[in-house]
Amino acid sequence: AQSVSQHNHHVILSEAASLELGCNYSYGGTVNLFWYVQYPGQHLQLLLKYFSGDPLVKGIKGFEAEFIKSKFSFNLRKPSVQWSDTAEYFCAVTRNTGGFKTIFGAGTRLFVKA
Amino acid sequence: GAVVSQHPSRVICKSGTSVKIECRSLDFQATTMFWYRQFPKKSLMLMATSNEGSKATYEQGVEKDKFLINHASLTLSTLTVTSAHPEDSSFYICSARVPGGFGTEAFFGQGTRLTVV
Repeated sequence: AQSVSQHNHHVILSEAASLELGCNYSYGGTVNLFWYVQYPGQHLQLLLKYFSGDPLVKGIKGFEAEFIKSKFSFNLRKPSVQWSDTAEYFCAVTRNTGGFKTIFGAGTRLFVKA
Repeated sequence: GAVVSQHPSRVICKSGTSVKIECRSLDFQATTMFWYRQFPKKSLMLMATSNEGSKATYEQGVEKDKFLINHASLTLSTLTVTSAHPEDSSFYICSARVPGGFGTEAFFGQGTRLTVV
């Protein structure tokens, strides 16, 4: 089945450590790609998005992601995490068909130790 | 960015009753809105696509008679959970797509936490 896969369900890091969260999708064709963050008890916030152009996308709060078309991947990175980055991170994909539905990965729960 | 508002943010209802959740696009017209369900500590599951002026399109496994969707105007979609049961308790989130189709992002509401007692 076509899907969005996030490889890490739980990640624990110490402050200042580097972060990389994996995301792969299985849709062919053109896609729009997103990373969202959900802080405890809060609603979704958009971190960054890719529509076209430069495959390295910079978002808010020091996050970036790289779209590698050949690998169907859109991994999220941050060079140095902070305690306040503790949250759940969702990768999402919109296909260029079928009403442009956005499908979410299972999410990665990040805990940053102070 | 564009603003999508959901109401209510929290609702508690008795088992067997129906509850309506509203999703409004405040500063743009949305021909398409989407309804998601999020279980505790889980991801967002797409329930249906709400199309203005036509019937909603439901994802496989979603009961259309239980989750009634109406998209009567370009700024409002409603989700009615009919004959609610405790297993319907969940976080329901809507999103609305800015006109332009593919290549535009969808904006998300703040969600509605439904508790059925």
